[in-house]
Amino acid sequence: DAKTTQPTSMDCAEGRAANLPCNHSTISGNEYVYWYRQIHSQGPQYIIHGLKNNETNEMASLIITEDRKSSTLILPHATLRDTAVYYCIATTGNQFYFGTGTSLTVIP
Amino acid sequence: SAVISQKPSRDICQRGTSLTIQCQVDSQVTMMFWYRQQPGQSLTLIATANQGSEATYESGFVIDKFPISRPNLTFSTLTVSNMSPEDSSIYLCSAPLGGRRVETQYFGPGTRLLVL
Repeated sequence: DAKTTQPTSMDCAEGRAANLPCNHSTISGNEYVYWYRQIHSQGPQYIIHGLKNNETNEMASLIITEDRKSSTLILPHATLRDTAVYYCIATTGNQFYFGTGTSLTVIP
Repeated sequence: SAVISQKPSRDICQRGTSLTIQCQVDSQVTMMFWYRQQPGQSLTLIATANQGSEATYESGFVIDKFPISRPNLTFSTLTVSNMSPEDSSIYLCSAPLGGRRVETQYFGPGTRLLVL
């Protein structure tokens, strides 16, 4: 699985969009980009995933660059409950190897 | 939505003892996975548990320390053997669910283990 690189931490004002970047420059053609988050050491929660096209669901949007070497998770209107560690994972869909993630703090 | 449960949710154990953690999935799955999350750290994959065959362990993890059972398609156990304080972690199981072409991993709530 490709290695991913994320900033260690980010802050975001409540109500604003949170844009979380991820670098996966060694991603292979059959690897998807997955995003998970973990709140207060609960089990990780699935957010979204994509291969080439941008994706959107009720939680977030995923923007993948044309060369697939990086992506951005967008939380359109961050709330205090979005404070969590966000993990970006590049995988074919079987084993998931977690990096260190980005600790997002939403500020009132 | 899919549900994955774990028992116990937490435990405090004495060094040298063993603890078996159970993971139950509400639908049949081919593969289940076990992770460890040490305090302040990210998740580390311990092993893949396949029904009907021995588990496949990641580098740094061995069967003698973390024996795994997978008796059917909805259940698995992870045993943490001969525990030491360094085994104090959150242990999580996961399974690919969803039925889509590319499956999504869902995680249990975790078992918080403290070894004294």
